[in-house]
Order: sequence, then C-alpha cells, then structure tokens
Amino acid sequence: AQTVTQSQPEMSVQEAETVTLSCTYDTSESDYYLFWYKQPPSRQMILVIRQEAYKQQNATENRFSVNFQKAAKSFSLKISDSQLGDAAMYFCASGSARQLTFGSGTQLTVLP
Amino acid sequence: DTAVSQTPKYLVTQMGNDKSIKCEQNLGHDTMYWYKQDSKKFLKIMFSYNNKELIINETVPNRFSPKSPDKAHLNLHINSLELGDSAVYFCASSQEGQSFYGYTFGSGTRLTVV
Repeated sequence: AQTVTQSQPEMSVQEAETVTLSCTYDTSESDYYLFWYKQPPSRQMILVIRQEAYKQQNATENRFSVNFQKAAKSFSLKISDSQLGDAAMYFCASGSARQLTFGSGTQLTVLP
Repeated sequence: DTAVSQTPKYLVTQMGNDKSIKCEQNLGHDTMYWYKQDSKKFLKIMFSYNNKELIINETVPNRFSPKSPDKAHLNLHINSLELGDSAVYFCASSQEGQSFYGYTFGSGTRLTVV
C-alpha cells in the first residue's frame, strides 16, 4: 500500500516571494512516479509537475520545481515568484497508471 | 474540445434516489478512474477500468456500480443514495505505456444528497 503525507494543511506566501510545500511518501513499488496537482476554487485538478522516480534530476516547470530525495522519500514543491493565481489547494501524489495515491493537500494563500 | 468531460457538474437529489454520473474522454486513453473527494478535500480512488475491464474496486458500497460501455466512457451509477454520499466525484483518464504522464481529470460532479 502507498501512503502520501502532506504535513502542512495551510501555507501562505507574499506575492513575488518563494514558498516550499512538503510531501513525504511511502511505497513498496520500484517503478513509480510523483506528481503535484493544483486545485483552484474552480475545483479543476491541474497537473503542475511530474517526476520519474528513477531519475535523479529534479523536475522543473517554469516557476515550479521539486526537490526529490528518493532515499528520504521526500518530494517537495518550490514555487518561485509567487503570483495571486497560484492560490489553490496543492496535492502531492505517488503511484503509477494503475493507481495514484494522493496526500491530504496543502491550501496555499498568496498575499498581495 | 474538453479532454475529459463529466455530466452533470452539479447534482442535488433526495435520499433513496438512484442517480448516474457520466464521463467521456477523447484522449484515446485506455484507463479511466473514479475518485471521490470528501468534504475535507481528501481524494480516494473508487474504481479503475482498463480497456473496459475493472482493475481496481476499492472498498466501496455495492450501491456504487461503474459501467464502461467502451474505453472512452466510464459511468457511475449510485443506488439508494445516502447523506454520506455527498461529495465531489472526479473522473480521470490516463495512458499506460513505457512512461506515465499522470491523470487528466474531469471538472468534477458535486453531488448533494438531501
């Protein structure tokens, strides 16, 4: 069984500043993927970033980057130059096409 | 064109009724899923289908029955609705292959049982 833990139910950041959201996971799979999804008030689930667990290089997508520590089973998301539109619930997820397990989410507030 | 479309977006119904939620994807994906998001925003898988075959059936009351007429459609039928069934239900799809690029989600159906 897989578990994904997000220990920060809420975070806030000043506009233009940087924030890091934490995620740890546990899995017995040898081949798995990690994701961050964003859910704004519209409730649409939007893929933010993807990491292949067999790759050591941290994924980046514009202002979003991850710090993937495989041995520690840690997968944090860094948002640089935060914008008002980044305000949302962020979910960390681990798994494969068979099943993705989601964390409980971190509600991010961006302060103007 | 919406990649994964769910209908309806909102559903308000009385206890004891039977209702269905429809999902269609035009991405050519071979796996589809139903997830339930509760009031605390926790997302839990209910079912997954691969090429019309049931792959995962988590501990879900048998009042919930998925139906996949073809690999582009996965509908969810719920019998004898209860207050505790109130939640947002998400349909999603993905493509299995050498690499996995995550799920594409529908916009969700907010079900309210009164």
